[in-house]
Amino acid sequence: GAVVSQHPSWVICKSGTSVKIECRSLDFQATTMFWYRQFPKQSLMLMATSNEGSKATYEQGVEKDKFLINHASLTLSTLTVTSAHPEDSSFYICSAREHRLKEAYEQYFGPGTRLTVT
Amino acid sequence: LAKTTQPISMDSYEGQEVNITCSHNNIATNDYITWYQQFPSQGPRFIIQGYKTKVTNEVASLFIPADRKSSTLSLPRVSLSDTAVYYCLVRGYNKLIFGAGTRLAVHP
Repeated sequence: GAVVSQHPSWVICKSGTSVKIECRSLDFQATTMFWYRQFPKQSLMLMATSNEGSKATYEQGVEKDKFLINHASLTLSTLTVTSAHPEDSSFYICSAREHRLKEAYEQYFGPGTRLTVT
Repeated sequence: LAKTTQPISMDSYEGQEVNITCSHNNIATNDYITWYQQFPSQGPRFIIQGYKTKVTNEVASLFIPADRKSSTLSLPRVSLSDTAVYYCLVRGYNKLIFGAGTRLAVHP
């Protein structure tokens, strides 16, 4: 199957700093990418949907000015957590949708990035 | 988006067949049923997807009755490494919304 990578796999940062997480589709073009957040023992929560070349669509309750998403190309999307605080510590997972027939797409997930804010 | 309901947890033993049922009463005509597996600190991994009747691949089978209001993921002869959370999702050409999932524990 198609591969989605994330970088870094884990990061520790100090409160008040910003952190950028990259999501890449390695062997396919992804017109749409998704960002999820997952807290311990909980399910994945969708944060936003990004389409290449356009602004991201954020889910209700997700601060767009705090979680900046850039989908600059068909293989790269970035999530920047600005002015991070300890409550932003979480597991961030991206996924990419392969550009195929509308009714038969596949969505692939990255390995996740563990963010710890101290 | 169709909501899904599945058991919170299940226990099994090595070598047994495990069936996890998911209900999705308001599934739409164009929706597909997809199952993912997730291990701790990893991204979800696609297991199987279907629209109706039965789908089988090298790791699982998916049974979907004619009314499509439920589906059953069947894992043949589970091993300890199948201990994970299993998510049932219903989706059209839209975003994937995860439910609570089923936490499967396989015991020796």
